Amino acid sequence: DTGVSQNPRHKITKRGQNVTFRCDPISEHNRLYWYRQTLGQGPEFLTYFQNEAQLEKSRLLSDRFSAERPKGSFSTLEIQRTEQGDSAMYLCASSLRQGNEKLFFGSGTQLSVL
Amino acid sequence: AQSVTQPDIHITVSEGASLELRCNYSYGATPYLFWYVQSPGQGLQLLLKYFSGDTLVQGIKGFEAEFKRSQSSFNLRKPSVHWSDAAEYFCAQNQGGTEKLVFGKGTKLTVNP
Repeated sequence: DTGVSQNPRHKITKRGQNVTFRCDPISEHNRLYWYRQTLGQGPEFLTYFQNEAQLEKSRLLSDRFSAERPKGSFSTLEIQRTEQGDSAMYLCASSLRQGNEKLFFGSGTQLSVL
Repeated sequence: AQSVTQPDIHITVSEGASLELRCNYSYGATPYLFWYVQSPGQGLQLLLKYFSGDTLVQGIKGFEAEFKRSQSSFNLRKPSVHWSDAAEYFCAQNQGGTEKLVFGKGTKLTVNP
């Protein structure tokens, strides 16, 4: 069990650029989640996959955001035409059973949009 | 929409002192409640969870929490705090029927020597 891995740890970009983050869940976990955390706030749910199927999406996830999980293993989160309001920590989590059992979180990707 | 309130943004205690972190959840018939801890540079780690049954739940690292339906509360406690407990603590509730966790804003704990 190597834990949930997220890359990169930090990303600085200019407004209007596209960015992509990667999450590698714990290998046997079939559920994968993306959350966003801004300063002084708790994590906010963005989206959830069971295997390769994206089953839930938050209304926070605008059309500029897209997430994929091809083959049900790693996942990518892409933000197009970044805005300063997108600056946040993007957290990935995985679980073996339902999310109301236990989530294992990665250390996150810190995005700064200049 | 369901919400979770953590009234204390920042708490400071001395090492060895007792600790109680407050959490109030919005009404739910069968709330699934959690406490997570986040240390700097680390991912969130589950301390404990409540689904049903005994209202006093034990977790890792010597933490416990008590579910009180009448007060819509799920407060986290520890009898004697260690310096390594300094971190940010998040209370969360499962939004019924979904995989979504709703988190409070967190309480930052500082431990003085």
